[in-house]
Amino acid sequence: GAVVSQHPSWVICKSGTSVKIECRSLDFQATTMFWYRQFPKQSLMLMATSNEGSKATYEQGVEKDKFLINHASLTLSTLTVTSAHPEDSSFYICSARVGGGYYGYTFGSGTRLTVV
Amino acid sequence: SQQGEEDPQALSIQEGENATMNCSYKTSINNLQWYRQNSGRGLVHLILIRSNEREKHSGRLRVTLDTSKKSSSLLITASRAADTASYFCATVFTGGGNKLTFGTGTQLKVEL
Repeated sequence: GAVVSQHPSWVICKSGTSVKIECRSLDFQATTMFWYRQFPKQSLMLMATSNEGSKATYEQGVEKDKFLINHASLTLSTLTVTSAHPEDSSFYICSARVGGGYYGYTFGSGTRLTVV
Repeated sequence: SQQGEEDPQALSIQEGENATMNCSYKTSINNLQWYRQNSGRGLVHLILIRSNEREKHSGRLRVTLDTSKKSSSLLITASRAADTASYFCATVFTGGGNKLTFGTGTQLKVEL
């Protein structure tokens, strides 16, 4: 149980275009989802916390107008990279906390974004 | 950032040997978790240890936690080639809400 489905798994886009990444919780309700970014051979850096029905909370240094997060339902959160540039090329991963007293988290399979 | 530091950054061992990875963090935690990531994939939760626990086992995994030293270690015994992956520690900091903050990671390669 507790599966998060992330799509697409990879995407190539042209500079200046926007790309939307979706994360769905398949068998549970995720009131909170987390979006991470990972550069090659580096760790995951938290970008923002997405809360259902409210505005996302962004980490320091993350441009909220560039990385638009929408969490309109208990099972879907989206990250839109607007006006993408080559430096936005990265691996983006979403995560949701599995509820209850257990502090477990489940992760999507990630999206490899390449901006050309 | 409150990211933990892990060492070694990279580790190469022979199949059957044990692999030990260390993680240090900066502030008080509620719990510490270890994750595995195969190249270009998402993360898989391995084990969680709470701040009031000192050691935990799960199959071939053994995790220790020393809150006085703000450090943890992950031991993989009798390693297999399939254990080749990156391993990350991650913490939920006291007062940090539900945010999970990751360490720098250890790239483990297990050779036949």
